[in-house]
Amino acid sequence: SYELTQTPSVSVSPGQTARITCSGDALTKRYVYWYQRKSGQAPVLVMYEDNKRPSEIPERFSASTSGTLATLTIRGAQEEDEAEYYCYSVDTSGYFWVFGGGTALTVL
Amino acid sequence: QVRLQESGPGLVKPSETLSLTCSVSGDSVGSNSYYWGWVRQPPGKTLEWIGTIYYNGNTNYNPSLNTRVTISLDSSKNEFSLKVRSVSAADTALYYCARFDFRRLNGDYYFMDVWGKGTTVAVSS
Repeated sequence: SYELTQTPSVSVSPGQTARITCSGDALTKRYVYWYQRKSGQAPVLVMYEDNKRPSEIPERFSASTSGTLATLTIRGAQEEDEAEYYCYSVDTSGYFWVFGGGTALTVL
Repeated sequence: QVRLQESGPGLVKPSETLSLTCSVSGDSVGSNSYYWGWVRQPPGKTLEWIGTIYYNGNTNYNPSLNTRVTISLDSSKNEFSLKVRSVSAADTALYYCARFDFRRLNGDYYFMDVWGKGTTVAVSS
């Protein structure tokens, strides 16, 4: 099976830059997606196809991929960004879709 | 605005079949624009893609669940359903239904762009 690995937690002060990483062997060939899930709410797509941002997502969210490492960056993180973040991608066969283990972002 | 709402029993006995339904408003499961499917999260574990279905009935399932899972679609009711057979405690989870966007890029990509709020299912006698 395929695995995506995320750091379990990240903590920043308001206004700082938060970086959340996701590593996976197939990321050199496959796009990655990022989801935000706030406590008790449904997940929300915040980035897709490595570095594209849905129109409703604030510009402070960005993402990039280099080799086997994908990074979600939140510049000027706000308290409202406190949530779990999950990366999502597929293995090289194209059949096995997986999520990373999730990263809990604390902003305080 | 597209909305998805899961419904079904919150408790299922071991070895029985878990059945959930997702009602869709603001979009049509009978259109060829999107796929529809399910994601779950067992307690203490990460999210897990279960499978998807297209308007024509074509399905894709997680290989680890393939033999026990069926996703079906009812265009007349604008809903789709999930069945998981022979459940065990390992199937206890928060279950989400979702709309999947599809892109053919360097391979086929399915990703969730709208989610339901989720429903908790426990497997216990």
